[in-house]
Amino acid sequence: EPEVTQTPSHQVTQMGQEVILRCVPISNHLYFYWYRQILGQKVEFLVSFYNNEISEKSEIFDDQFSVERPDGSNFTLKIRSTKLEDSAMYFCATTPGFADTQYFGPGTRLTVL
Amino acid sequence: DAKTTQPPSMDCAEGRAANLPCNHSTISGNEYVYWYRQIHSQGPQYIIHGLKNNETNEMASLIITEDRKSSTLILPHATLRDTAVYYCIVRVGNRDDKIIFGKGTRLHILP
Repeated sequence: EPEVTQTPSHQVTQMGQEVILRCVPISNHLYFYWYRQILGQKVEFLVSFYNNEISEKSEIFDDQFSVERPDGSNFTLKIRSTKLEDSAMYFCATTPGFADTQYFGPGTRLTVL
Repeated sequence: DAKTTQPPSMDCAEGRAANLPCNHSTISGNEYVYWYRQIHSQGPQYIIHGLKNNETNEMASLIITEDRKSSTLILPHATLRDTAVYYCIVRVGNRDDKIIFGKGTRLHILP
């Protein structure tokens, strides 16, 4: 069964450094999402992406965040200058069509020191 | 905010059916009921969804009341691997893109 994959599984970085989290969507999926989950809290929506454009973003997704699909397969989330409060699990999700069932990846644990 | 209400936690004996309730009293006619689960620190896993009819797949059954104001997710023979947080979510088909997660129900399967 096709799966969403994410790399790395765990990223440790220093405050102020840039990080790039990567996601490989299920092959025929066209809509892509990033969510995050701070330890002990709810899963929160960050951004949705379709046709090489951001469809919707939350208040959390400020100018420090960006997304792109650089090579037609990977879907990336970049945090330009990490802060301590960016420490969280980041989940990618993909879906074949708008508002279809979303399938989540295993997540990347980001630790900012 | 999530439009559903779930108990914060439940226990179920291994091998028994786990019945997880969800209230969604303000659900609209075009909103689907979705269930996801999250096993410790893993990504949310899709389980099942339905509009008004009961649904069954290889993982679970979804029973939706006739007035659609509540539903029950049934795991017919719970195993220790079913220990997870279960999220009940309502979404409008063909309109609601992002998923808004609540706190869910933490289900403990007891050996």
